[in-house]
Amino acid sequence: KNQVEQSPQSLIILEGKNCTLQCNYTVSPFSNLRWYKQDTGRGPVSLTIMTFSENTKSNGRYTATLDADTKQSSLHITASQLSDSASYICVVSDTAAGNKLTFGGGTRVLVKP
Amino acid sequence: DSGVTQTPKHLITATGQRVTLRCSPRSGDLSVYWYQQSLDQGLQFLIQYYNGEERAKGNILERFSAQQFPDLHSELNLSSLELGDSALYFCASSVTGLVQETQYFGPGTRLLVL
Repeated sequence: KNQVEQSPQSLIILEGKNCTLQCNYTVSPFSNLRWYKQDTGRGPVSLTIMTFSENTKSNGRYTATLDADTKQSSLHITASQLSDSASYICVVSDTAAGNKLTFGGGTRVLVKP
Repeated sequence: DSGVTQTPKHLITATGQRVTLRCSPRSGDLSVYWYQQSLDQGLQFLIQYYNGEERAKGNILERFSAQQFPDLHSELNLSSLELGDSALYFCASSVTGLVQETQYFGPGTRLLVL
């Protein structure tokens, strides 16, 4: 069964600090991996999309890495801001299932002043 | 604002009832997706349409159905509602529905079944 596991489940960091979120997946065959940011009660917003040939992609203070061999990805947040408080969701696409996306459970990040 | 609109924002109904959720994609987007987000299951993909045709199916129950109309808006019909159907329902859209495309999510419809 295709799975996407994220860690930690939740994280508290001080404003201005960096943090790294992890995502491990078993989806195969792999098409792409996305990171979404979701504020409470709102729709997810896409941060990055990476195919198997890409190993890093940045979007402002967010940098995602991908190791397709070990099936691991990370999302690094640099110089965190209060507005970074949200859930971050790792999503993997399976080429064999059309455009079906498998979602991780998310990491809830709280940035404190 | 993603450009995807969903109505209604909130819906409260009783078990056994039927409801219809509506989604208008971003201007120019041909593909629409439906997702369910509950507290215990996280986000789950339900179904995708492209230009009126079903393209991919996920964990959609038989009690649920969807369609995309010629003007590209989409409706998700939920029938014989159960308490466990209480969740946030999101619609997303993308230009052509290819796997590598960014999907833009709407604000969601919060459904409460009592």
